[in-house]
Amino acid sequence: DAGVTQSPTHLIKTRGQQVTLRCSPKSGHDTVSWYQQALGQGPQFIFQYYEEEERQRGNFPDRFSGHQFPNYSSELNVNALLLGDSALYLCASSTQGYQPQHFGDGTRLSIL
Amino acid sequence: AQSVAQPEDQVNVAEGNPLTVKCTYSVSGNPYLFWYVQYPNRGLQFLLKYITGDNLVKGSYGFEAEFNKSQTSFHLKKPSALVSDSALYFCAVRDGGDDKIIFGKGTRLHILP
Repeated sequence: DAGVTQSPTHLIKTRGQQVTLRCSPKSGHDTVSWYQQALGQGPQFIFQYYEEEERQRGNFPDRFSGHQFPNYSSELNVNALLLGDSALYLCASSTQGYQPQHFGDGTRLSIL
Repeated sequence: AQSVAQPEDQVNVAEGNPLTVKCTYSVSGNPYLFWYVQYPNRGLQFLLKYITGDNLVKGSYGFEAEFNKSQTSFHLKKPSALVSDSALYFCAVRDGGDDKIIFGKGTRLHILP
């Protein structure tokens, strides 16, 4: 049973570029959440998708956007990249209700 | 607004000794609490959760946590530490009516052989 998979594992971009990160949830899960983990920090909630809609959003600018597809997979898009966007981006999947989230191994994004 | 505090950046414990990693939280509604562990270059792995019921929660790898409502704490414990327990531990809270989960900044646990 495959867990949460994320691609790519590493990515290098320059300031001003745009990036798309991808996530496939664990089998049976219908809810996907995205987090940004800066070096030495805990994950910070970006947003959550359920039924192809953004359910809730953390304190991130509109440069961060997402999408969920009918098969529950999800994308995170970041426009106009800044140096401060360098971080590990984590995807987590779950079912509705108060179930724990299962995390992927993340995409390490470096901005030059 | 909900928040989580992990007051210790690092905890050092000798192998075989009991360990405690501290966590306090603040929510406006009913708290739903979680502990996760992160190994280098990996995502987070779920250890245990408190939703309701018994204040002592047992989880994976021999870990347990005690929910204390009056002290708004949810400390992670293990009776006998292993070197392989060395990792980064995160406490997280979800407010009852909210979807987002807030994580603490993490505590690095070093188990000394």
